[in-house]
Amino acid sequence: QSVLTQPPSVSGAPGQRVTISCTGSSSNIGAGYDVHWYQQLPGTAPKLLIYGSSHRPSGVPDRFSGSRSGTSASLAITGLQAEDEADYYCQSYDSSLSGYWVFGGGTKLTVL
Amino acid sequence: VQVVESGGDLVQPGGSLRLSCAASGFIFMNYAMTWVRQAPGKGLEWVSTISGSGLSTYYADSVKGRFTISRDNSKNTLYLQMNSLGAEDTALYYCAKGTIVTTGPFDCWGQGTLVTVSS
Repeated sequence: QSVLTQPPSVSGAPGQRVTISCTGSSSNIGAGYDVHWYQQLPGTAPKLLIYGSSHRPSGVPDRFSGSRSGTSASLAITGLQAEDEADYYCQSYDSSLSGYWVFGGGTKLTVL
Repeated sequence: VQVVESGGDLVQPGGSLRLSCAASGFIFMNYAMTWVRQAPGKGLEWVSTISGSGLSTYYADSVKGRFTISRDNSKNTLYLQMNSLGAEDTALYYCAKGTIVTTGPFDCWGQGTLVTVSS
């Protein structure tokens, strides 16, 4: 079981908006630690998509946005495109005895 | 900015292996470095992190006591010594660059090196 909980899968049609949730606890997201999101296209390495909960690295389209509230965070993708089909992972830092850097279990986005 | 892993191989249960990660394009000693692994068909798992100086190291419970992370800042290279390997260690191992902030993201990833533990 991952420390951060994500839905296993989400789907949407081209042009639609989808959101992916990431639920943590008082020892990670709820403690104020930043949430980061990674995109992993099929057969490739993960790529940083959102850092500091809501910031996009250079080159990431503004169709991708992130937010955080309480013990949860969300990734939103608007204007869905076929090339967005990938696995998405949230990541944060955990101050409990269970570990330090933690990932969500990942969410498979299917573009219908 | 680039990191390139190497050293993955097929190893028998109970065996050892050392992974390397060659970094370029940034001031290596200024950044923490991390190993993340991904078992076949599974999600990402944080394995270990080392501070820029190499003085501080951190391990996931699943590898503590068996794996050792280290770095050679003169060679811009990160290492992961893996001992007492078991089938559960079979995975693609990624090297990832951290940022100045300890809780910051992993902003550069290599393509991974495959470790297979099997008899």
